[in-house]
Amino acid sequence: AQTVTQSQPEMSVQEAETVTLSCTYDTSENNYYLFWYKQPPSRQMILVIRQEAYKQQNATENRFSVNFQKAAKSFSLKISDSQLGDTAMYFCAFKMIYGNKLVFGAGTILRVKS
Amino acid sequence: EAQVTQNPRYLITVTGKKLTVTCSQNMNHEYMSWYRQDPGLGLRQIYYSMNVEVTDKGDVPEGYKVSRKEKRNFPLILESPSPNQTSLYFCASSLSYLGRYQNTGELFFGEGSRLTVL
Repeated sequence: AQTVTQSQPEMSVQEAETVTLSCTYDTSENNYYLFWYKQPPSRQMILVIRQEAYKQQNATENRFSVNFQKAAKSFSLKISDSQLGDTAMYFCAFKMIYGNKLVFGAGTILRVKS
Repeated sequence: EAQVTQNPRYLITVTGKKLTVTCSQNMNHEYMSWYRQDPGLGLRQIYYSMNVEVTDKGDVPEGYKVSRKEKRNFPLILESPSPNQTSLYFCASSLSYLGRYQNTGELFFGEGSRLTVL
């Protein structure tokens, strides 16, 4: 079974600085998807970024980028120019190509300080 | 607007009193699923449905029931709620991966239902 581990329960960063959230996963599959979801205090689950395992290029969405290391089974999220609105719980998630189920990590609470 | 709608958003109930959390999606998605979110555990899948009349257990199905009589609806039923079912519940939907290799199967989530069982 696949597992996802987020080793940082909480992190904080100053506004305008850069922060990296860690995620590792375990799978025997070769093709799969990885996601980062943001959950602000409103509890809504918002997709931040997606990475296809068969793509070597790291995904980027504006201030959000990932460092995908397939051999190391590592999938970290970098947030540049942090903003107060980035304060949220962040979940890393895994999905097999042939399937719909998302497997989530425990989450990392990120607090952006002014 | 494409959305997944859950009701109620908040509920406080007592042990043993049956309750249903409704979920409806307007995106014609085949796949629907229920997750519960607990501190330190992330989101865990309770039940899922690949299509109408097709449901199956997820990782934590004990104490829950579901049904899928219509494509758009996927209610979660707690026949006899207990305090350990106090949690934040999410319904989610997506296109089925079946026959769609290039489909990423992105899950669309409802806004969550906070359930407290006393």
